[in-house]
Amino acid sequence: AQSVTQPDIHITVSEGASLELRCNYSYGATPYLFWYVQSPGQGLQLLLKYFSGDTLVQGIKGFEAEFKRSQSSFNLRKPSVHWSDAAEYFCAVGSRSNDYKLSFGAGTTVTVRA
Amino acid sequence: EPEVTQTPSHQVTQMGQEVILRCVPISNHLYFYWYRQILGQKVEFLVSFYNNEISEKSEIFDDQFSVERPDGSNFTLKIRSTKLEDSAMYFCASSEESSYNEQFFGPGTRLTVL
Repeated sequence: AQSVTQPDIHITVSEGASLELRCNYSYGATPYLFWYVQSPGQGLQLLLKYFSGDTLVQGIKGFEAEFKRSQSSFNLRKPSVHWSDAAEYFCAVGSRSNDYKLSFGAGTTVTVRA
Repeated sequence: EPEVTQTPSHQVTQMGQEVILRCVPISNHLYFYWYRQILGQKVEFLVSFYNNEISEKSEIFDDQFSVERPDGSNFTLKIRSTKLEDSAMYFCASSEESSYNEQFFGPGTRLTVL
């Protein structure tokens, strides 16, 4: 069965500092990997995705993520955080063999301090 | 930009009552999903729907739940007899039929069962 672990429940970062959110997945074949962001009271917005090819993927809002097969990881990064990046971030894994259903991690809440 | 819409945004109901949550997926999409997020917990897959039938469902999706695409545009989730533990945010998602599945999520319906 596919599963996702986000080890960090809560991260606080200063505005302008860099951010890295960790994601580890468990899946036998090549997964489809996603990062979603959820602002308070809002739905889930896709930040970026990885299906194949270049292991460093660029997303919206200045985010990027790197797929590392050897570490079963798909960590999300942003070089310089803005106050508007305060939100909850979810890593998710999907696959064709599971009818594309997504399995989500528990989420990481990001707080940005001035 | 096309988006998934959901109504109502918030539904309050008494335990034992039936509720219907409504979703309008993106018009050319063919796969439809329901997920739920209990407060403070991870987003969980409920059911996927393709070609007018359920293609996969989770163990959460028991006989109290049903889905329907009544008119070619709406996609509904019905809970026949709500329980307190059904209180959650329910997200609808849709995707195109392709090798690379990206699910677009609606803003969610918050269901409160009293």
